[in-house]
Amino acid sequence: NAGVTQTPKFQVLKTGQSMTLQCAQDMNHEYMSWYRQDPGMGLRLIHYSVGAGITDQGEVPNGYNVSRSTTEDFPLRLLSAAPSQTSVYFCASRTEIQGSEQYFGPGTRLTVT
Amino acid sequence: SQQGEEDPQALSIQEGENATMNCSYKTSINNLQWYRQNSGRGLVHLILIRSNEREKHSGRLRVTLDTSKKSSSLLITASRAADTASYFCATAPMDSSYKLIFGSGTRLLVRP
Repeated sequence: NAGVTQTPKFQVLKTGQSMTLQCAQDMNHEYMSWYRQDPGMGLRLIHYSVGAGITDQGEVPNGYNVSRSTTEDFPLRLLSAAPSQTSVYFCASRTEIQGSEQYFGPGTRLTVT
Repeated sequence: SQQGEEDPQALSIQEGENATMNCSYKTSINNLQWYRQNSGRGLVHLILIRSNEREKHSGRLRVTLDTSKKSSSLLITASRAADTASYFCATAPMDSSYKLIFGSGTRLLVRP
């Protein structure tokens, strides 16, 4: 199993550009989520999904869109990048069972200039 | 706002010593988890403790949970240089346990 994979690993965008961060998992997990991590801070939940076709907002959803057309994939779209979105983005997945451990991808480091 | 807050923010100890990190949270939880993050990497799950448990062990790790004080502690015994990392607690709120809310972390440095 590859686990949770994310692409790209690094990305530089100009203000106003859009892009999609890719996330895929091969563990047949129902629950997937996106976090951002800023220096000296923990992870903040952006969006999450409890299954294909179902998404919901986390703590900091503004400026981001998600969709979940398949169990495996959970892309995160930045609609119009802003310098405040410079961060490291992590995708994670786990089984739908409450209280299960979460598996994280390696992260995407995004810089918006 | 963050659900879990770790204390201390940073900790420096000598190899072989024990390291204790604390986590406080605000609302009722289904479970609490601890994760480790090496510099520049993703997070790795260490241990999960449910709200009806008080203590749990895994190798050199010992986690306690006090739901009356809304706090947890992570003890790493006989620390090694390889334990150098950031450690995060994460809580699954009772009213929304699909979510996992992370604290700001403790940076642990173990000096050889």
